[in-house]
Amino acid sequence: QVQLQESGPGLVKPSETLSLTCTVSGDSFSVHYWSWIRQPPGKGLEWIGYMYYTGTTNYNPSLKSRVTISVDTSKNQFSLKVRSVTAADTAVYYCARAMQLHFDYWGRGTPVIVSS
Amino acid sequence: EIVLTQSPGTLSLSPGERATLSCRASQSVSSSYLAWYQQKPGQAPRLLIYGGSSRATGIPDRFSGSGSGTDFTLTISRLEPEDFAVYYCQHYGGSPMYTFGQGTKLEIK
Repeated sequence: QVQLQESGPGLVKPSETLSLTCTVSGDSFSVHYWSWIRQPPGKGLEWIGYMYYTGTTNYNPSLKSRVTISVDTSKNQFSLKVRSVTAADTAVYYCARAMQLHFDYWGRGTPVIVSS
Repeated sequence: EIVLTQSPGTLSLSPGERATLSCRASQSVSSSYLAWYQQKPGQAPRLLIYGGSSRATGIPDRFSGSGSGTDFTLTISRLEPEDFAVYYCQHYGGSPMYTFGQGTKLEIK
């Protein structure tokens, strides 16, 4: 059974860097697209970006200048960094596995608040 | 950029009734690239339908997806109490690579 679990600080100060990690169990990083998706309070879903198992990344153009996704295959983890955060980055952040076209496994999500 | 518009915003129905949720794309897309998710409060979204009409593993057959071009539909044939939730459609392709509709809230009447 594939499981994903997000971890990281729940509170980040404005202008600082948000850093989250997703730990994957029950699967390896081969073949799939490992993504981050966020959901601001009371709003819909926004795809942030993915890393393919080859190391290729692809980001939402609206966030591309501030986002980095990386992977540590030795730990079965992939990570998200969002630089220069503002209140608009306050959201529940989900990690998810994509079968290229859709997301079949999701983490439970971790809330992140940007506030001083 | 492909924009997905879901309607209605809120749908009020009773258990046992049929639910029809709409997802309209701003330009013609392949149904192969269209998926539907269910999200309950405090939970992650759950994949229901992929490839426009294929049910994900473990999804009851009361859920079905259809459509082509710009108009897609998620139908729940007979609502169960656990089906009341928010539903999102999602498209793969273009830029950004994945886009979601704004959601339809299915509430108990």
